[in-house]
Amino acid sequence: NAGVTQTPKFRILKIGQSMTLQCTQDMNHNYMYWYRQDPGMGLKLIYYSVGAGITDKGEVPNGYNVSRSTTEDFPLRLELAAPSQTSVYFCASSYSKGQTNTDTQYFGPGTRLTVL
Amino acid sequence: SQKIEQNSEALNIQEGKTATLTCNYTNYSPAYLQWYRQDPGRGPVFLLLIRENEKEKRKERLKVTFDTTLKQSLFHITASQPADSATYLCALDRLGAGKSTFGDGTTLTVKP
Repeated sequence: NAGVTQTPKFRILKIGQSMTLQCTQDMNHNYMYWYRQDPGMGLKLIYYSVGAGITDKGEVPNGYNVSRSTTEDFPLRLELAAPSQTSVYFCASSYSKGQTNTDTQYFGPGTRLTVL
Repeated sequence: SQKIEQNSEALNIQEGKTATLTCNYTNYSPAYLQWYRQDPGRGPVFLLLIRENEKEKRKERLKVTFDTTLKQSLFHITASQPADSATYLCALDRLGAGKSTFGDGTTLTVKP
């Protein structure tokens, strides 16, 4: 299994541009998450999904959108990029959160985004 | 509001000593707590999970305790090695919440 994969690894955007961060998992996990991590800080939840067709806002959803049309994919869309969105973005997945021994999150390698 | 606090300062210890990291929380009733390790430029990696009815969990040189009265978890690395140098994150979860809340992490440096 490849686990959780994210593309691209790095990206530089100009203010006002848009882009989609891709996330795919091959572990048949039903739960997926998007986090952002600013330098020296912890993970802030942007959006999450408990299954295909279901998404919900996390702690910092403004400026982002998500969709979950399949179990495997959970893309994150940035509209009108702003310098405040400069960060490292991590996608994660887990199986049936809330169940014994199946709550571990598996993280992707991250996407480093700079908005100038 | 819910708050999670990990060691406010980075932790520097000598090789062979025991490292102890803390995770305190307020206004939260977690069903379980997880510890992750994060190396620079990489995503977090799961280490241990402890449930609210468990006092202690061990895995090789790692030990986690969970005191719901004190609202605190302690993470211990015994016989520490330079390879243990990383940032360690705690995450709290409530049953049915569908999501975790992460602390800001503690950076551990083990000096040879």
